[in-house]
Amino acid sequence: GAGVSQSPSNKVTEKGKDVELRCDPISGHTALYWYRQSLGQGLEFLIYFQGNSAPDKSGLPSDRFSAERTGGSVSTLTIQRTQQEDSAVYLCASSFVNDEQYFGPGTRLTVT
Amino acid sequence: QQQVKQSPQSLIVQKGGISIINCAYENTAFDYFPWYQQFPGKGPALLIAIRPDVSEKKEGRFTISFNKSAKQFSLHIMDSQPGDSATYFCAARSNTGKLIFGQGTTLQVKP
Repeated sequence: GAGVSQSPSNKVTEKGKDVELRCDPISGHTALYWYRQSLGQGLEFLIYFQGNSAPDKSGLPSDRFSAERTGGSVSTLTIQRTQQEDSAVYLCASSFVNDEQYFGPGTRLTVT
Repeated sequence: QQQVKQSPQSLIVQKGGISIINCAYENTAFDYFPWYQQFPGKGPALLIAIRPDVSEKKEGRFTISFNKSAKQFSLHIMDSQPGDSATYFCAARSNTGKLIFGQGTTLQVKP
């Protein structure tokens, strides 16, 4: 079946602009995660959605970052007033509860 | 503590050799320890995983060794092949489900 998909694959934006990154999880997966991977770095947890529960936002680096998940499926990560330090690959993963996480290919964000 | 420390940062191995990557954690509440393999331009893909009640798990050429008392675990790649050249991440899952990743190891297997 289809894996996790993310769009766009690449995004170049000017400092100060807002961006939206989209994640389509695997159908039926109730858990959805966002991670950030900076150049040469490991993956940094951002936010976690599980069913109808309140999301775990403990990894969001600032209030410029927000995410929502509509209808328990598609998720959008929004970064407002982008800064150069926001440049990274943003990865989405989905899973059944407490099961293997499947990652999408990521969105490479470059803030100029 | 939520850290997972991974070493080495990079590794060069000859074809046919054994690649060993080590990780250490601090939080005893972690309940699942996966290893991910990532090729350039791709998302990480699960390679092999272990739960803390098991000391070793083997799948083909890949083995995880787990030492619960030392809070350490390692990945061994036997008969390393050039196609294994990639970045490897260890991770630990918290009781909330999120994964805490190590910093990654870039493996190069020379022909």
